[in-house]
Amino acid sequence: KAGVTQTPRYLIKTRGQQVTLSCSPISGHRSVSWYQQTPGQGLQFLFEYFSETQRNKGNFPGRFSGRQFSNSRSEMNVSTLELGDSALYLCASSLAGASLIEQFFGPGTRLTVL
Amino acid sequence: SQQGEEDPQALSIQEGENATMNCSYKTSINNLQWYRQNSGRGLVHLILIRSNEREKHSGRLRVTLDTSKKSSSLLITASRAADTASYFCATNNAGNMLTFGGGTRLMVKP
Repeated sequence: KAGVTQTPRYLIKTRGQQVTLSCSPISGHRSVSWYQQTPGQGLQFLFEYFSETQRNKGNFPGRFSGRQFSNSRSEMNVSTLELGDSALYLCASSLAGASLIEQFFGPGTRLTVL
Repeated sequence: SQQGEEDPQALSIQEGENATMNCSYKTSINNLQWYRQNSGRGLVHLILIRSNEREKHSGRLRVTLDTSKKSSSLLITASRAADTASYFCATNNAGNMLTFGGGTRLMVKP
């Protein structure tokens, strides 16, 4: 069974631009969560989608948005990029939305904002 | 903000020794999970312990949970060079939202 895939793996953008990251969950998984990892703030929850609906949202500005498609693939978008948005963005998928279910993480997309 | 704090932040041991990492958290939880991350890559799930469990084993891993002290520990026995990685605890109290600690960087010297 293929794991969680994220594209692209690396991305370089300049301030003010926008970016879209993609995550394909494990086949059959309906929940996709996104996390941002930076040296200063560590791993922080962005949002979770389940059956195309956003279920939880972390404490990030409205420039960060996401969506989930009917095939459970998810995208996250960051508009008006700032230098501080440089980070490793990780997505995780799980079978369902229950809290006792293991989550599987993708390799991440490393975003650099210049 | 981070729910948990991990201790120590960095740990260096020799191959064959045991490694113990501790995690403290602030609010009530449904479960606590431990993850491993190699050099800025994705996270690998190691073990999940539910709030009503006190101890759990998986191979060379042993996790304890003390909800009265809001703390957990991860013990890796007979460590190997391949165990070199960062280890994170993550708490879950709703849905699939995980709140991570700052992590422990483990180096196992051959």
